[in-house]
Amino acid sequence: EAQVTQNPRYLITVTGKKLTVTCSQNMNHEYMSWYRQDPGLGLRQIYYSMNVEVTDKGDVPEGYKVSRKEKRNFPLILESPSPNQTSLYFCASSTDSEYTDTQYFGPGTRLTVL
Amino acid sequence: ELKVEQNPLFLSMQEGKNYTIYCNYSTTSDRLYWYRQDPGKSLESLFVLLSNGAVKQEGRLMASLDTKARLSTLHITAAVHDLSATYFCAVDSNTDKLIFGTGTRLQVFP
Repeated sequence: EAQVTQNPRYLITVTGKKLTVTCSQNMNHEYMSWYRQDPGLGLRQIYYSMNVEVTDKGDVPEGYKVSRKEKRNFPLILESPSPNQTSLYFCASSTDSEYTDTQYFGPGTRLTVL
Repeated sequence: ELKVEQNPLFLSMQEGKNYTIYCNYSTTSDRLYWYRQDPGKSLESLFVLLSNGAVKQEGRLMASLDTKARLSTLHITAAVHDLSATYFCAVDSNTDKLIFGTGTRLQVFP
């Protein structure tokens, strides 16, 4: 089954404690992206990757890091989380950056930073 | 900077009625996408509109794109309860970034 998986689905942590949210897709997609969703703000892009070892900043990259060492995986790293990073996070993938194909979203990770 | 605005933000409509959700954007783009999100769920792709004048239909939903007016519409025909969800439009910024609108929360009641 074609899918995008994220782990963990729920996470409560404390300020400053490094964490990683994993994202994996099994569709051999080149393009992957991370978004955060906050009430009243819609979805905002954090980082995206057009292929292995190619990443770039989205609209709200501050406080986040990503890596793309393998095509299928695109982890989101919060080196020192702060309460303003409490949000719902979605990973997504698509065939290419031209968006001519459907973008598939993961189930989401709800993060709370105390 | 590309900005995407949707209206209305909230829409409560009776079953069987028709309505339109609007998506306006501020800079040139010829790629626009519509997504649906059910409460507590992820996003599901509805339509991909890739050129001026593009029109796509799926069931009771029809989406169109006017790149000259920088406007897309999502038209709902004879609404049913199953269409209750939040609908997002998203616009390609032409720099590999996708900018989302704030969403339209649709509630269909009997």
